[in-house]
Amino acid sequence: DSGVTQTPKHLITATGQRVTLRCSPRSGDLSVYWYQQSLDQGLQFLIQYYNGEERAKGNILERFSAQQFPDLHSELNLSSLELGDSALYFCASSVGYTGELFFGEGSRLTVL
Amino acid sequence: GQNIDQPTEMTATEGAIVQINCTYQTSGFNGLFWYQQHAGEAPTFLSYNVLDGLEEKGRFSSFLSRSKGYSYLLLKELQMKDSASYLCAVRDLTSGTYKYIFGTGTRLKVLA
Repeated sequence: DSGVTQTPKHLITATGQRVTLRCSPRSGDLSVYWYQQSLDQGLQFLIQYYNGEERAKGNILERFSAQQFPDLHSELNLSSLELGDSALYFCASSVGYTGELFFGEGSRLTVL
Repeated sequence: GQNIDQPTEMTATEGAIVQINCTYQTSGFNGLFWYQQHAGEAPTFLSYNVLDGLEEKGRFSSFLSRSKGYSYLLLKELQMKDSASYLCAVRDLTSGTYKYIFGTGTRLKVLA
C-alpha cells in the first residue's frame, strides 16, 4: 500500500460525458502528479501540482483540467469524453519536487 | 525534446540474470528511476541513480552513465514473481520545473 488513494477504481461512461477522478496523496506529500496509461502504452504525464499550485504541464488535453485543494487532495476532470480517453489514470505523490513518486492504484476509465 | 528508449519485451528463465537497458535524451537530466509494474497495478519504485555508477539493492541493481545517456536494471536470481513491466523514468529539470518522464516499459516474462 503506497498510501496514495484514488477513487473510483473503475468507471464506465459514454462518449460526450464528463467524469471526475479523485486522488488523496500520502500524508505529508505536497506534490501530486497525474498520468494517463493507455493499453500497452507508457505513462503519459498530464499535470503536476505542488501545495495547491500548478507546477508543470505535460500532454494534457484542453478537455481535461485538474486542481489541488487546500487539504492537498486533487481532482482530475475529464470532459467531452471520447473513446480514446479510455485508459488507466494514475495519481502519484511525492514529498517535494524531487523525491520518488508513490503511485495510487489507478482509476480505470472505460468510455463506450 | 525528451526521449526514452527501452526494449519492448524480454524473456528469461527462473534463476537467471537479466539486464534491461534504457537510453535517454533530455536537456535537463536530473536523475533516473526504475519502477516495476505488474499488469493492471500501480508502478512501484525500485531504484534511483543521479550519479554515474552502480547502485545495488538486494537482487536488483541499477547502473547509470550520464555521458552516454544510458542506464540498465540488472535482476539476479530471477523469480516467477519478477514477471512484470519495468519502467525507466527520467527526472528532467527545465526552466525551473521538474518533470518525471517515463519510457514505455519493458515487459519481462520469466519462464520456469
